Amino acid sequence: QVQLQESGPGLVKSSGTLSLTCVVSGGSISSSNWWSWVRQPPGKGLEWIGEIYHSGDTNYTPSLKSRVTISVDKSKNVFSLKLTSVTAADTAMYFCARVWARGMDEWGQGTLVTVS
Amino acid sequence: DIQMTQSPSSVSASVGDRVTITCRASQDVSTWLAWYQQKTGKAPKLLIYAASSLQSGVPSRFSGSGSGTDFTLTISSLQPEDFATYYCQQANRYPYTFGQGTKLEIK
Repeated sequence: QVQLQESGPGLVKSSGTLSLTCVVSGGSISSSNWWSWVRQPPGKGLEWIGEIYHSGDTNYTPSLKSRVTISVDKSKNVFSLKLTSVTAADTAMYFCARVWARGMDEWGQGTLVTVS
Repeated sequence: DIQMTQSPSSVSASVGDRVTITCRASQDVSTWLAWYQQKTGKAPKLLIYAASSLQSGVPSRFSGSGSGTDFTLTISSLQPEDFATYYCQQANRYPYTFGQGTKLEIK
């Protein structure tokens, strides 16, 4: 069974860059799935950030597109998120997830990133 | 962006009750609609995909219906473990968007 695990700094300075990695285990990142990032500010709802295919094709939400890069490293079976010029509004729980049948069927446990 | 609006925003119900949550899209999303359950401090869990397909391992008391702009999630007989927040999500057009959530509380 596929498992996902996010990792990265829990604290990022304002105007800095948020960098997170999602390790995929129990399956190949080169399978016929897209891989997504979703975030959730404390006490609020879910926001889709973007997704990547193992070919490197990406889709991003327009509101973050100028600041977001999602990349994939097939050799390590990981995909990553970079968000630049962060502010307090980017403080959130960040989840990685596998996209299947246009739903997200496997999720990481999430990692809280605070911008100070 | 396609706006997803859920109603109600919160609902109180008792064990054994039948509960229906609705989700309306601001434009046609065909049947590219998913439902998730999220418990406090946990990742969302996929319940329903493609509007009405039950995800593997999800109890049959959960069902989804609808197409176009109007969708429903029904829990036929509430169990104690069903008290959580529920989200709909459209996947017909980028960017994918979620509803604001419906909190299901114990009466």
